Amino acid sequence: DVKVTQSSRYLVKRTGEKVFLECVQDMDHENMFWYRQDPGLGLRLIYFSYDVKMKEKGDIPEGYSVSREKKERFSLILESASTNQTSMYLCASAGGSLGNQPQHFGDGTRLSIL
Amino acid sequence: DAKTTQPNSMESNEEEPVHLPCNHSTISGTDYIHWYRQLPSQGPEYVIHGLTSNVNNRMASLAIAEDRKSSTLILHRATLRDAAVYYCILRDGLYSGAGSYQLTFGKGTKLSVIP
Repeated sequence: DVKVTQSSRYLVKRTGEKVFLECVQDMDHENMFWYRQDPGLGLRLIYFSYDVKMKEKGDIPEGYSVSREKKERFSLILESASTNQTSMYLCASAGGSLGNQPQHFGDGTRLSIL
Repeated sequence: DAKTTQPNSMESNEEEPVHLPCNHSTISGTDYIHWYRQLPSQGPEYVIHGLTSNVNNRMASLAIAEDRKSSTLILHRATLRDAAVYYCILRDGLYSGAGSYQLTFGKGTKLSVIP
């Protein structure tokens, strides 16, 4: 079974802090994704990466950056956290080169910015 | 992603089979039918996907109509752990551009399992 592990289930940070969310997958997948999920807004793609050191912006990249130094690890960085970044953050991975490939998700990090 | 239509909610008794329907009348020839589910306070979970033929895996079966305008996710024996929101989406099997990776879920079907 595919295992996607996110470093924290719950996280509380203060406005202006730099926040790191970590994600690790064990299936040697080329593609990794960061989404946020908010009530009424559904899933929104922040960034994705299709290879080590490669990244592309999703629909809502503002205020975020990412890092992929190793194939199995994909990090999301909130450069200066703000209250509107309070959300559920979901990491996913997928194999192959087509967008059709199933995505496998972690359990999510519920982040609160105070 | 092309549009799908699902009932808002369904109920099932524990240990009975569940048939979750999905309509996708505007499906194109290269669209795959994917199912995901999301349990409360957890991330979405991939369930199954198919193109034309019926598919089985350890979690569920997917029955696809001959004209591909509808499909049914079948859980053979519902358990309490199957209570979740189930999403049916279409994914283009040919498109590999950057925009193809975004998953867009509709409202899905909320499945309740009665002990």
